[in-house]
Amino acid sequence: EPEVTQTPSHQVTQMGQEVILRCVPISNHLYFYWYRQILGQKVEFLVSFYNNEISEKSEIFDDQFSVERPDGSNFTLKIRSTKLEDSAMYFCASRNEKLFFGSGTQLSVL
Amino acid sequence: QQPVQSPQAVILREGEDAVINCSSSKALYSVHWYRQKHGEAPVFLMILLKGGEQKGHDKISASFNEKKQQSSLYLTASQLSYSGTYFCGTGSNDYKLSFGAGTTVTVRA
Repeated sequence: EPEVTQTPSHQVTQMGQEVILRCVPISNHLYFYWYRQILGQKVEFLVSFYNNEISEKSEIFDDQFSVERPDGSNFTLKIRSTKLEDSAMYFCASRNEKLFFGSGTQLSVL
Repeated sequence: QQPVQSPQAVILREGEDAVINCSSSKALYSVHWYRQKHGEAPVFLMILLKGGEQKGHDKISASFNEKKQQSSLYLTASQLSYSGTYFCGTGSNDYKLSFGAGTTVTVRA
């Protein structure tokens, strides 16, 4: 079965540093998402992307966050200046009808 | 606005049934159900798009009452493999899918 792939699986960074989380969505999907999950908590919506632009974003997705689909296959989430509270598991997802999640990137900000 | 799930947690013995509820204050376009095992990504169970629709996946089924803005997930004759956290995801449009806080299901032998 096709799957959403995410890299890296773990990322450790210092507070204030920039990180880029990478995702390859399922190839024929049209809608792309980033979610995050703080340990033991619910899955929180960050942003959705459709037709090469952001379609919705949450209040979490502030100016420090950005998304890109640079080459038609990759879908990236950039955090410009990481904060301690950005530590979480970040899931990329894509769908046409069913939403498929990647296995996540565990981001630790020290 | 995220949907509200109840109960927060349920403990079952193998073979018992359970119902997980999901409600929203907004009109819903769709309801998605996912199960997440510890340390893993959420896995799709089913999606309901029409009012009054019911669907099944093995012995797990769900209903969607569009008018009441509610969905229920039914775990029938639970198996050990059903253990995990169940999330409902709801969308009032095609773009944003927001998840509830989850219901932790523990099935014991």
